[in-house]
Amino acid sequence: DAGVIQSPRHEVTEMGQEVTLRCKPISGHDYLFWYRQTMMRGLELLIYFNNNVPIDDSGMPEDRFSAKMPNASFSTLKIQPSEPRDSAVYFCASSRQGGPYEQYFGPGTRLTVT
Amino acid sequence: RKEVEQDPGPFNVPEGATVAFNCTYSNSASQSFFWYRQDCRKEPKLLMSVYSSGNEDGRFTAQLNRASQYISLLIRDSKLSDSATYLCVVILSGSARQLTFGSGTQLTVLP
Repeated sequence: DAGVIQSPRHEVTEMGQEVTLRCKPISGHDYLFWYRQTMMRGLELLIYFNNNVPIDDSGMPEDRFSAKMPNASFSTLKIQPSEPRDSAVYFCASSRQGGPYEQYFGPGTRLTVT
Repeated sequence: RKEVEQDPGPFNVPEGATVAFNCTYSNSASQSFFWYRQDCRKEPKLLMSVYSSGNEDGRFTAQLNRASQYISLLIRDSKLSDSATYLCVVILSGSARQLTFGSGTQLTVLP
């Protein structure tokens, strides 16, 4: 079975540009999570969805960040405009509705904003 | 105070050694506990859940002490392949499926 798929794997962009990160969860998983990881702050939950509906976005740092899940197999995290402090690894994870709490992580997108 | 605290290490141990990590959590109503492993520049992966009675998976033993609000991970007969960062993870009471991660403990097993 395919795991969580994220694209792109690496993104380098200039400050002020729009960045869109993409995620395809594991088929059949009802929960989708977006995390950000930095050396200073560790792993932080940004937002999560259940059945395509955003449940908690309290971790989204600013209005510059937005996330959507138009269907069960696709989600995006958008940063507009991007800033150097957004540089981090962004992970997407998914888990099943009725199963254990284990979350399966994608390989991450390494974002560098110059 | 952080919700989940870990000693960041690094722990450098020789192959075959036994090493233990501790983690404390601040919310006494926390309901679920896990250890995740993260290799350098890779995604976190579940190592094991932590049950109230303690549990073992091969060379790995996890224990939970609710009274003192800490969990531990013991690795016996450590292998070179155990070198990674070990993340203590808690589901806080009332937070549904939200995982709260510790900052991780770095382990290097030396030949």
